[in-house]
Amino acid sequence: KNEVEQSPQNLTAQEGEFITINCSYSVGISALHWLQQHPGGGIVSLFMLSSGKKKHGRLIATINIQEKHSSLHITASHPRDSAVYICAVWIQGAQKLVFGQGTRLTINP
Amino acid sequence: DVKVTQSSRYLVKRTGEKVFLECVQDMDHENMFWYRQDPGLGLRLIYFSYDVKMKEKGDIPEGYSVSREKKERFSLILESASTNQTSMYLCASLKQGPGEQYFGPGTRLTVT
Repeated sequence: KNEVEQSPQNLTAQEGEFITINCSYSVGISALHWLQQHPGGGIVSLFMLSSGKKKHGRLIATINIQEKHSSLHITASHPRDSAVYICAVWIQGAQKLVFGQGTRLTINP
Repeated sequence: DVKVTQSSRYLVKRTGEKVFLECVQDMDHENMFWYRQDPGLGLRLIYFSYDVKMKEKGDIPEGYSVSREKKERFSLILESASTNQTSMYLCASLKQGPGEQYFGPGTRLTVT
């Protein structure tokens, strides 16, 4: 079993819909990251969380440390949000990130 | 802005060739990482370095080696390329954990 599990693996929605991507992890962590990767492109960091909730524009990330779960929400989704979204955790005591398999999001106009 | 650059976006090599992938960062970061990304498997850590001339094996180091002679440059070496090393290779840098990693644009390597 992977230490970091994301769901769904693929998500297709219509423009304007509210999107939720989930991430569960099974290890103790120092921080959780949400990353975005556009087709053919590099990876950019969206959020780093260790507790609570963060918001940036239409994107909201939450984390529940007790339940070992995080969600990434996109409000009023747009075709330019189409990308792979990756959850990654910084394991306590380690010097590395462990990544989920990613969620491929497609927003149709 | 932090910039992480990789020497090639696309590379085609033959089986058995020695392959060098280079990564350069311009923000004086101590930590640098090499990952490979494959469909269905996500990003997997090959090697990382937390200082000049220091290196640590990641999860899948077999068939790879690394070199870090200068702080800004981290090289990944495929000693004898094989077809199962066809993949997207991503470099990243980090000031200190558990902070934000900055990724390069990636090198798509095809070994034929």
